[in-house]
Amino acid sequence: GAVVSQHPSWVICKSGTSVKIECRSLDFQATTMFWYRQFPKQSLMLMATSNEGSKATYEQGVEKDKFLINHASLTLSTLTVTSAHPEDSSFYICSAPKQGGGYGYTFGSGTRLTVV
Amino acid sequence: AQTVTQSQPEMSVQEAETVTLSCTYDTSESDYYLFWYKQPPSRQMILVIRQEAYKQQNATENRFSVNFQKAAKSFSLKISDSQLGDAAMYFCAYRSPPGGGADGLTFGKGTHLIIQP
Repeated sequence: GAVVSQHPSWVICKSGTSVKIECRSLDFQATTMFWYRQFPKQSLMLMATSNEGSKATYEQGVEKDKFLINHASLTLSTLTVTSAHPEDSSFYICSAPKQGGGYGYTFGSGTRLTVV
Repeated sequence: AQTVTQSQPEMSVQEAETVTLSCTYDTSESDYYLFWYKQPPSRQMILVIRQEAYKQQNATENRFSVNFQKAAKSFSLKISDSQLGDAAMYFCAYRSPPGGGADGLTFGKGTHLIIQP
């Protein structure tokens, strides 16, 4: 149980276009979703936290207008990279707190974004 | 802000041997959670083991165990009887307690573990 489905797994887009990444909680309700970014051979960096029905919280240095996060329902959170540039090329991973107590997380499988 | 440091960019171990991955962290909080995650080439994050800071007993999961030294802010991972499938990036991570602010994880830079057959 506690599966987060992330799509697409990889995407190539042209500079200046926008790309949407979706994370769905399949068998539980995710009131919170964390979005991470991972550059090649580097660590995961928390970008933002989305909460269902309210505005996302962004980490320092993350552009709100470039990385639009929407958490419209208890099972879907989306990250839209707007006006993408080659430097936005990265691996993006979502994660939701596991339900039923405890303090673990379940991760999506990640999205590799390449901007050309 | 909390920081997590993994000082070993890469470690190599012979199959069936034991290896220890180091992790230190810095925090002013007294209660928190620590994790070790494995990221194989598929890049799927897999939980290896976790530890609550208020528990003195070191967590153990089959071949994986930790040495949690709260005063020293150290959280090392020991892998016994290493197997080829253990080859991956290993990330140490920190989480504040619920209600203590951001609940996202703070990750270390990772250690690339190589298993020599």
